[in-house]
Amino acid sequence: QVQLQQWGAGLLKPSETLSLTCAVSGGSFSGYYWSWIRQPPGKGLEWIGEINQSGNTNYNPPLKSRVTMSIDTSKNHFSLRLSFVTAADTAVYYCARSIMSSVTTFFVWGQGTLVTVSS
Amino acid sequence: QSALTQPASVSGSPGQSITISCTGTSSDVGSYDLVSWYQQHPGKAPKVMIYDVIKRPSGVSNRFSGSKSGNTASLTISGLQAEDEADYYCCSYAGSSTYVVFGGGTKLTVL
Repeated sequence: QVQLQQWGAGLLKPSETLSLTCAVSGGSFSGYYWSWIRQPPGKGLEWIGEINQSGNTNYNPPLKSRVTMSIDTSKNHFSLRLSFVTAADTAVYYCARSIMSSVTTFFVWGQGTLVTVSS
Repeated sequence: QSALTQPASVSGSPGQSITISCTGTSSDVGSYDLVSWYQQHPGKAPKVMIYDVIKRPSGVSNRFSGSKSGNTASLTISGLQAEDEADYYCCSYAGSSTYVVFGGGTKLTVL
């Protein structure tokens, strides 16, 4: 059974770069999209972007200029970098897996990482 | 402001049925049968309850069903149970420019 385990810095200062990694265990990278989704405290879900095994990415347009996703199939993990963070980027960040035939269906989720941006 | 519009809250008594709507546009919900619904309990990651408008993942109760008409998708929960109390989010594909959009979420209260 596929599991996603994520980690990264939980406290950042404004203008710093957020960096999170999600490790995949129990499954293959092939045939899936690997996404990052965030949820500000008390608010709804926001899709950040996705990457596939080949490194092809799709990003949410409002975040596109600050987002970089990468994948390392040899280490079975994928990563998110979000530059120039502000307080508005404070959120729980989730990694998730969707299938290529249904890109909005996130069957598997990481445990979530709270990232707080504060000076 | 979320791309998809959901009611902020709905409520129902145990055993009753409720429906949560998710209104988008002809660029997302109206154009693709790629609408999913997620249940989220406090402090937990979301869980997919319905995908591709009407499909139910293995292990999800058949009390949950989905539908779509025009630019509006709906999630219906029949035979409400206390454990159904949670936040529910819809999600839709929105084409090759915007890709994935979520609704603002609906808080379901079981009275």
